Amino acid sequence: GESVGLHLPTLSVQEGDNSIINCAYSNSASDYFIWYKQESGKGPQFIIDIRSNMDKRQGQRVTVLLNKTVKHLSLQIAATQPGDSAVYFCAEMVSGAGSYQLTFGKGTKLSVIP
Amino acid sequence: NAGVMQNPRHLVRRRGQEARLRCSPMKGHSHVYWYRQLPEEGLKFMVYLQKENIIDESGMPKERFSAEFPKEGPSILRIQQVVRGDSAAYFCASSPSDQPQHFGDGTRLSIL
Repeated sequence: GESVGLHLPTLSVQEGDNSIINCAYSNSASDYFIWYKQESGKGPQFIIDIRSNMDKRQGQRVTVLLNKTVKHLSLQIAATQPGDSAVYFCAEMVSGAGSYQLTFGKGTKLSVIP
Repeated sequence: NAGVMQNPRHLVRRRGQEARLRCSPMKGHSHVYWYRQLPEEGLKFMVYLQKENIIDESGMPKERFSAEFPKEGPSILRIQQVVRGDSAAYFCASSPSDQPQHFGDGTRLSIL
């Protein structure tokens, strides 16, 4: 089965509000996580990553939180804009395993209401 | 600095034909990865290559699929004797070492 999954397949938010996208993972050996944004017809675009020795990392308008105890990852987007509308994927990896393959979840579609 | 370049963007093949998908990694990136995406799903890992070496092909179907990353030129994902089930978007990613992986915009393969 899927090692990484998402709690909600779709999320609608009002422009200007904050968005929170959740992700659960089941492989306790995973120690590196990435959030990607995918717009229609395009490839996944790197947003932010976090390693398991951290529980929070911030970028420009985005924050990733990692809770290893419950194997949960979240992406927070501040002041959501129409350009944030896309499908968001979390991905996990076990580093040091000889391969750098990413395991992706199914994705959450974020729709921003103007 | 150009990103990961994939071509063609769209490819149509009839059942039984061969499909060749090409990927040029970002400049300075020596690691290449191929993923497959079905509609409404996440990406599934297929193969990880470095120059002239296949490092991990655990996600590749045992038959008809092959990949290479030669010393010169792009990485190639080759699908022989395509079937309807091969229809998907195929994405290539590259990285300088382990992470993060940066993706191209994919090749959409359609099988008639």
